[in-house]
Amino acid sequence: EAGVTQFPSHSVIEKGQTVTLRCDPISGHDNLYWYRRVMGKEIKFLLHFVKESKQDESGMPNNRFLAERTGGTYSTLKVQPAELEDSGVYFCASSQDLRLAGADTQYFGPGTRLTVL
Amino acid sequence: AQSVTQLGSHVSVSEGALVLLRCNYSSSVPPYLFWYVQYPNQGLQLLLKYTSAATLVKGINGFEAEFKKSETSFHLTKPSAHMSDAAEYFCAVSDRTGTASKLTFGTGTRLQVTL
Repeated sequence: EAGVTQFPSHSVIEKGQTVTLRCDPISGHDNLYWYRRVMGKEIKFLLHFVKESKQDESGMPNNRFLAERTGGTYSTLKVQPAELEDSGVYFCASSQDLRLAGADTQYFGPGTRLTVL
Repeated sequence: AQSVTQLGSHVSVSEGALVLLRCNYSSSVPPYLFWYVQYPNQGLQLLLKYTSAATLVKGINGFEAEFKKSETSFHLTKPSAHMSDAAEYFCAVSDRTGTASKLTFGTGTRLQVTL
């Protein structure tokens, strides 16, 4: 079974540019999460999708960040325009339907390292 | 609100020595607790989890953790460190209320294993 995949693995852009990160969850997982780790700090929650609906987006920093999950499969996270403080590692995670046993486990992708110059 | 505190951003042990990584949590509801590990250039991998069953939880690679409600702790241990255990370890707590299940992480502890 394929794990959570993320693309690209690294992205270097200049301030003011746009970047789109992609996450493919484990097949059949209804829940998809985005997290971010700024260097030296803790991993912080950004938002949670249940299928194609945003369940919780309380962690999104501001309106420069837009997440979508069309069709309830893969998700994209767009940053437009990027600022210096957006640099960090963006992780995606997925889990099964919360009503199923074991659904409390989130499986993480390898992350996308974003550098804004 | 939930929170996690990991004491020690860097821990160094000798190969064969006991590994002890500390985690204390704060939660207004009975928590689910997790330890994840991140090896260099890889994603987060689940080591073990506590979900209100046995308080002593055994995970992969010989790691285990004990949930102590009275101390609000969930420390990670391994009797004998191996060079391959060098990685960054994250403790996390999950919000079990409603349908949301976001994780709140500690700042991580980088484990160094020396010969």
